[in-house]
Amino acid sequence: SQKIEQNSEALNIQEGKTATLTCNYTNYSPAYLQWYRQDPGRGPVFLLLIRENEKEKRKERLKVTFDTTLKQSLFHITASQPADSATYLCALVLAGTYKYIFGTGTRLKVLA
Amino acid sequence: KAGVTQTPRYLIKTRGQQVTLSCSPISGHRSVSWYQQTPGQGLQFLFEYFSETQRNKGNFPGRFSGRQFSNSRSEMNVSTLELGDSALYLCASSPVGSDQETQYFGPGTRLLVL
Repeated sequence: SQKIEQNSEALNIQEGKTATLTCNYTNYSPAYLQWYRQDPGRGPVFLLLIRENEKEKRKERLKVTFDTTLKQSLFHITASQPADSATYLCALVLAGTYKYIFGTGTRLKVLA
Repeated sequence: KAGVTQTPRYLIKTRGQQVTLSCSPISGHRSVSWYQQTPGQGLQFLFEYFSETQRNKGNFPGRFSGRQFSNSRSEMNVSTLELGDSALYLCASSPVGSDQETQYFGPGTRLLVL
């Protein structure tokens, strides 16, 4: 069956450290992978997109990698801050289908 | 530009009733997608509309339906509500819904079925 797994439901890290979140998928051939942030009571907010032919993408303190051989994406937040505490979702975008497949999310808590 | 708006924000219904949720996309956006979010299943795709046509559909029963109007506003209907339909329903819009686009999500409608 097709599925997307994010490494853990919750992740606690100390302020200033790098948070690394994992997104693994099976039986998909995604064209793109996106990462979103969701705060309680709000809709997801887009953070980064990475294409299948890209290995790495950066935006400020955020970095995403995409390994289509391992079928895995890693999402890093460097110099993490308490304000980064939220749920992070990965989403596969299947080429030409207008369909986004979301993972179940990882709840990140950055401790001061 | 104003963001995606959804009404109502909260709704309580009883089993067997039906419900209609509304979504107004960002001005100029022609693609609207609907999702159901629950703690156990996460964010699940319901359907996507573009120019009043449903282009893609997720794996939900026929009780879930939607439509899009000429101004791109969209409605989602759930008939014969079940307890398991309790969820946060999110709508997202994008300019044309291509796979290279960002989706912009609304705040959601929280539906509770008693």
